[in-house]
Amino acid sequence: EVPLVESGGGLVKPGGSLRLSCEASEFTFSNSAMNWVRQAPGKGLEWVSYISSGSGYIHYADSLRGRFTISRDNAKKSLYLQMNNLRVEDTAVYYCARVRFYGSGSLGGMVVWGKGTTVTVSS
Amino acid sequence: DIHMTQSPSSLSASVGDRVTITCRASQSITNYLNWYQQKSGEAPKLLIYGAFNVESGVPTRFSGSGSGTDFTLTINSLQPEDFATYFCQQSYSFPITFGQGTRLEIK
Repeated sequence: EVPLVESGGGLVKPGGSLRLSCEASEFTFSNSAMNWVRQAPGKGLEWVSYISSGSGYIHYADSLRGRFTISRDNAKKSLYLQMNNLRVEDTAVYYCARVRFYGSGSLGGMVVWGKGTTVTVSS
Repeated sequence: DIHMTQSPSSLSASVGDRVTITCRASQSITNYLNWYQQKSGEAPKLLIYGAFNVESGVPTRFSGSGSGTDFTLTINSLQPEDFATYFCQQSYSFPITFGQGTRLEIK
């Protein structure tokens, strides 16, 4: 069983919207902070957004704030990314990833990743 | 924002070699530095967190060092499965930022 599975990607026209989902298994999702990270074709990794386990802390990449909204439903073990007003440059594989904490709550890396879902923005 | 710069951008090496990849932060991030390996078509895999802590299941030939602004990922005795792209990432402050990647190729 795969611990994280993303869905909701697809082809959308510029200005359109998509809602990505990430369903968790094999770990206690409700205790886990999560990130969305994206990777444009042939490019590096770009962090998109972070949400704490109880949704009390949310952060976005500066360039995406106002267009993207992260949320979660712990009862459904699911993470979401609502993406509005999509642009061609949002074309990428979008990954959800579980955050690793260590020590006395230090923010570590991203320890569990899904396989990603592809978003293509094109007219 | 904290800018992360990796060097080199690409590297050719042979099986059995020892390689070093460096990552420099634009300001001090103490030891909030993580390293990932990504193979073509796959999701990244966490190798090192907190600058020098090896993630569970990662071979002992991988090690990390550094603090402040300068960090190093070392791979001892390269194996065929190690040829991939490596990224550093800072978790000191938001926005989280990644280095541009180092592509490790077979010589």
